[in-house]
Amino acid sequence: EDQVTQSPEALRLQEGESSSLNCSYTVSGLRGLFWYRQDPGKGPEFLFTLYSAGEEKEKERLKATLTKKESFLHITAPKPEDSATYLCAVHLSGYSTLTFGKGTMLLVSP
Amino acid sequence: DAGVTQSPTHLIKTRGQQVTLRCSPKSGHDTVSWYQQALGQGPQFIFQYYEEEERQRGNFPDRFSGHQFPNYSSELNVNALLLGDSALYLCASSGTGYEQYFGPGTRLTVT
Repeated sequence: EDQVTQSPEALRLQEGESSSLNCSYTVSGLRGLFWYRQDPGKGPEFLFTLYSAGEEKEKERLKATLTKKESFLHITAPKPEDSATYLCAVHLSGYSTLTFGKGTMLLVSP
Repeated sequence: DAGVTQSPTHLIKTRGQQVTLRCSPKSGHDTVSWYQQALGQGPQFIFQYYEEEERQRGNFPDRFSGHQFPNYSSELNVNALLLGDSALYLCASSGTGYEQYFGPGTRLTVT
């Protein structure tokens, strides 16, 4: 059973059409939840860390929020350059590694 | 300030061969983690090195081994390559915080 589930698997938006990506987790002992952006064939680029329910982080057109069992990545007025795969990962108590979801592939059309 | 670097960028190997991948962490970081990413999947944890010791290991066979050097750089070795080992291999470094910063990856193709 997947510990981290991301939805949708793929999302196509028109430029300027705002939307949200979801990351839900079934584990306990969350130390932190991370969002990364990954362009094809490249390494993930760190975006945000969220540590506790109610926390929010923003960067340009992206805003990440965290509840007790899920996180949302809100994309406001996206541009074509926001097209990428967005990965969510959790860091659990007692572990030193990250557990990733499969990602959401976002395509923004002009 | 250089970020995480990995070498080589790409390589092609034959089944049964051995391969070594290299990683230099971000300046100031002392912990290196290795991940395998198959096409369309999220990265899967292989192992993590800290103070030249393997601190944690994921669900990968013993064919996967590693090493960390005194300057914190690291190597990933894979023996007896299988077709299923074809993937993007990612190195990530971290310091005192939980954030991990990734390198550009090494694309391994096994034929």
